[in-house]
Amino acid sequence: EVQLVESGGGLVQPGRSLRLSCEASGFTFDEYAMHWVRQAPGKGLECVSSISWNSGGIGYADSVKGRFTISRDNAKNSLYLQMNSLRVEDTALYYCAKDLGSGGYGADVWGQGTKVTVSS
Amino acid sequence: DIQMTQSPSTLSASVGDRVTITCRASQSINSWLAWYQQKPGKAPNLLIYKASSLESGVPSRFSGSGSGTEFTLTISSLQPDDFATYYCQQFNTYPYSFGQGTKLEIK
Repeated sequence: EVQLVESGGGLVQPGRSLRLSCEASGFTFDEYAMHWVRQAPGKGLECVSSISWNSGGIGYADSVKGRFTISRDNAKNSLYLQMNSLRVEDTALYYCAKDLGSGGYGADVWGQGTKVTVSS
Repeated sequence: DIQMTQSPSTLSASVGDRVTITCRASQSINSWLAWYQQKPGKAPNLLIYKASSLESGVPSRFSGSGSGTEFTLTISSLQPDDFATYYCQQFNTYPYSFGQGTKLEIK
């Protein structure tokens, strides 16, 4: 069964850091691009960051550029999101998502999400 | 960054209706567009990729068309399970931006 399991969310104060992880199983992880997508309560979807199969292509939303870093470890079938200088507006449910291909086509498999709350 | 604009933001329709949702890109994205359905409390579900390719397992009443800057998602005959929020997402250029969503409601 193809599966993505996120972890690492929680309650954190503004200005602090958090690292999200996504463990993949059931597919050949190193053949696919991956994405982090967030959804603030009652709001729409935002693609926070994306990474190609070999980490050769990486992109970030303007809202997180310079603060968040995406990475992957293909040997461990894992995707990461290092989030620094967190802001109240980063509060959201963060999804890990697998792409259909090695670049960007569409996210066909999603995790259940990990909740990040930034509050003092 | 590429801005994606969906219309309408809300759509009221009845079971059996044919509905169309439009997504416009601020610059050409060729055919690098996907459509998703999301229900409350659930992760999005991929419907269409590369503007018009139907994802495996998605009912054939869903179809996508368009290229360049204007795209449409059509549901040929609405079923009760289709009432949800729909999003487009471009994959032409990082960051892979979403539209703001279209909520499809029961009339």
